Amino acid sequence: DTEVTQTPKHLVMGMTNKKSLKCEQHMGHRAMYWYKQKAKKPPELMFVYSYEKLSINESVPSRFSPECPNSSLLNLHLHALQPEDSALYLCASSQEGHPETQYFGPGTRLLVL
Amino acid sequence: KQEVTQIPAALSVPEGENLVLNCSFTDSAIYNLQWFRQDPGKGLTSLLLIQSSQREQTSGRLNASLDKSSGRSTLYIAASQPGDSATYLCAVSYGQNFVFGPGTRLSVLP
Repeated sequence: DTEVTQTPKHLVMGMTNKKSLKCEQHMGHRAMYWYKQKAKKPPELMFVYSYEKLSINESVPSRFSPECPNSSLLNLHLHALQPEDSALYLCASSQEGHPETQYFGPGTRLLVL
Repeated sequence: KQEVTQIPAALSVPEGENLVLNCSFTDSAIYNLQWFRQDPGKGLTSLLLIQSSQREQTSGRLNASLDKSSGRSTLYIAASQPGDSATYLCAVSYGQNFVFGPGTRLSVLP
């Protein structure tokens, strides 16, 4: 199984809502990543979890809060988002950190109204 | 700071042509370079991974080369097909970071 799954596929939320994005992999990977991708732009790294510990936070606003409950799951909690946060949010995983291939999920398309 | 660029930004070719996509990076201290394909509104599919110690990788009609010292990689697609139409992104693993190029939008016309 070389699949990374993400739910939901689409999400529409207001600026006062609280929602969560979920990512799951069953490849035994120990590193998981969140990326943000705006239209016609490359993905930008947001967070990296390595062995369930946050190892990189690319100066992401606190309205985005990652959580890694176990080695297979990665969540991104959203609160008080802005319309400019509308984007495709991609999750990826790799065996262990940088030297390995990253496998990406299909993404969650988020629209903030 | 690592910067990754890709040339051309867009490419339109007739079916059957061989083509080359280019990727450049500014800091040669990379761990690896990965080529991805992305269809509109979809996630990324990994095509090829080249470790920093390697010069090239091949998978089917795809061949990727890496010249770390000059900061360049090329993706060669042989006998292009309409199903190859997508955006192709290269990304370098750099420190604990993973930096993407802006992509090349490829259209293969039947």
